[in-house]
Amino acid sequence: QKEVEQNSGPLSVPEGAIASLNCTYSDRGSQSFFWYRQYSGKSPELIMFIYSNGDKEDGRFTAQLNKASQYVSLLIRDSQPSDSATYLCAPLGSSNTGKLIFGQGTTLQVKP
Amino acid sequence: DVKVTQSSRYLVKRTGEKVFLECVQDMDHENMFWYRQDPGLGLRLIYFSYDVKMKEKGDIPEGYSVSREKKERFSLILESASTNQTSMYLCASSPPGRREKLFFGSGTQLSVL
Repeated sequence: QKEVEQNSGPLSVPEGAIASLNCTYSDRGSQSFFWYRQYSGKSPELIMFIYSNGDKEDGRFTAQLNKASQYVSLLIRDSQPSDSATYLCAPLGSSNTGKLIFGQGTTLQVKP
Repeated sequence: DVKVTQSSRYLVKRTGEKVFLECVQDMDHENMFWYRQDPGLGLRLIYFSYDVKMKEKGDIPEGYSVSREKKERFSLILESASTNQTSMYLCASSPPGRREKLFFGSGTQLSVL
């Protein structure tokens, strides 16, 4: 089993729809979870993080965390073509070195 | 703005060559990282450093070494390049107390022939 699992996609949604990106992780000790966005040909950038069970909203983005199910998701409301990118889920490992463990990423395509 | 600068965007080397990838950050960050990114495998951590002269192995350190003589500079060294080290190499830094808030450089696409 991979440490972090994401469906590679592509996930295709029409403009204005809600995009739902999902991630499961194996390290039960992970307490912090991060979403990075990577445009094609560019480097990843941090867009969201969540520490507590439940939802965290930031503009059109909502991160959801369920530690019991070891599941984290990213919702993008009113998706725009500019949201087309690969989204990387990254739990912070529970070891004392504090390393991020990146998933392979889900590619999102928002069609006009 | 934080700036993480990698010395080369594209690099072509021969098998067996010694390769140096340089990374410089200008935000006085303590933490620096080297990743490689391959299709289907995602981002994998090679080495990281939380202080000058300090280095820790990541998940795939074999065939690589690093040097951190100054706080702002973190170098990745391929002692004897091999074709399976053809990859996109990404350097990142993060501020003290926020190791997970990575700022990435623009990457070096290394091809080993």
